Amino acid sequence: SQKIEQNSEALNIQEGKTATLTCNYTNYSPAYLQWYRQDPGRGPVFLLLIRENEKEKRKERLKVTFDTTLKQSLFHITASQPADSATYLCALERDNQGGKLIFGQGTELSVKP
Amino acid sequence: GAGVSQSPSNKVTEKGKDVELRCDPISGHTALYWYRQRLGQGLEFLIYFQGNSAPDKSGLPSDRFSAERTGESVSTLTIQRTQQEDSAVYLCASSLGLRTGGYTFGSGTRLTVV
Repeated sequence: SQKIEQNSEALNIQEGKTATLTCNYTNYSPAYLQWYRQDPGRGPVFLLLIRENEKEKRKERLKVTFDTTLKQSLFHITASQPADSATYLCALERDNQGGKLIFGQGTELSVKP
Repeated sequence: GAGVSQSPSNKVTEKGKDVELRCDPISGHTALYWYRQRLGQGLEFLIYFQGNSAPDKSGLPSDRFSAERTGESVSTLTIQRTQQEDSAVYLCASSLGLRTGGYTFGSGTRLTVV
């Protein structure tokens, strides 16, 4: 079956360290993959998009990699801060399914001061 | 508006009643999407509208669910004869078009069916 998986366990790290979140998928050929941040009681907020022909994308302290051979995306937050604490969602759009994002269940990140 | 606006923010309804959820997308965004998020679960695609094209309704879970969009503006999601399993947060999002980048989500409507 087709699915997209993120670490279900919460990730706890110390302020200043790099947080790395993983998104794995099976049986898809995604045109691109997106990462979102979601705070309790709020809708997801778009962070980064990476296309299938891109290996890496950066935005300020954020970095996303996309390995279509491993069927995996990694999301890094460098110099993490307590304000980065939230749930992070990955989502992919299949090449022939424009408009339908398939979301992972999200990984909760907690950054301790 | 500056963001995607959804109303009401919370709705409690009795089983068997109909409910209407409203979404005001960002002005100029031609694509509008509805997702559902059950407690502790990921977002589940319901339907999207793109310009004047026929909507993609493939994610609607049953014929009790329907959605409309007026031109490129307001959308309403209607759930008829609500069931307890319909309890969830219903999220609306919009984007400039399909495959034009990330989506802007509203804060959602939390629906509780008692």
